[in-house]
Amino acid sequence: GENVEQHPSTLSVQEGDSAVIKCTYSDSASNYFPWYKQELGKRPQLIIDIRSNVGEKKDQRIAVTLNKTAKHFSLHITETQPEDSAVYFCAASMNKLIFGAGTRLAVHP
Amino acid sequence: DAGVIQSPRHEVTEMGQEVTLRCKPISGHNSLFWYRQTMMRGLELLIYFNNNVPIDDSGMPEDRFSAKMPNASFSTLKIQPSEPRDSAVYFCASSFRQGVFGNEQFFGPGTRLTVL
Repeated sequence: GENVEQHPSTLSVQEGDSAVIKCTYSDSASNYFPWYKQELGKRPQLIIDIRSNVGEKKDQRIAVTLNKTAKHFSLHITETQPEDSAVYFCAASMNKLIFGAGTRLAVHP
Repeated sequence: DAGVIQSPRHEVTEMGQEVTLRCKPISGHNSLFWYRQTMMRGLELLIYFNNNVPIDDSGMPEDRFSAKMPNASFSTLKIQPSEPRDSAVYFCASSFRQGVFGNEQFFGPGTRLTVL
């Protein structure tokens, strides 16, 4: 069935460093790949997304890359700040979103 | 817009009781999704509706769970009878689906359900 694998499950970086989270998906028909950030006790909120007709997208300090052939996509956060600390979820969608298991990112001052 | 509205925000009930969770999607959105989130299983899609019609309920755990969307502005998720393993945060999300690509889903604040 449809599956999205995400790693690492936890990531600890120093403030100012970069963070990279990687996901793979199984359904080659997936055409939409969002990334959500979830702070403790809050709802998931979209931070960036990419469609299958685009290879890369950037929004300030965050960027997402997509390799359709390998069925990989990645989230890149540069110049990390303590407020980036949260759980990040990738997802892949054709008609419904299949979420990865999440990455807990900790940014230490 | 107030965003996706869910009620109640917290629910504590005893095993065997019926639980009804409610959701009001963002006005104009035509897709609605119910998710369950637990530490063990992460974010799981339970069911989703397009234009008020259930499209995929393969994530509904068992017959104790049912969902309805009687109109474009209201949906319910019912658990009857509830069990302790149903304890989780239940999120409702909505989106506007147009064309072949998926679109951003907006999540509600969630309902934290505790079944004793």
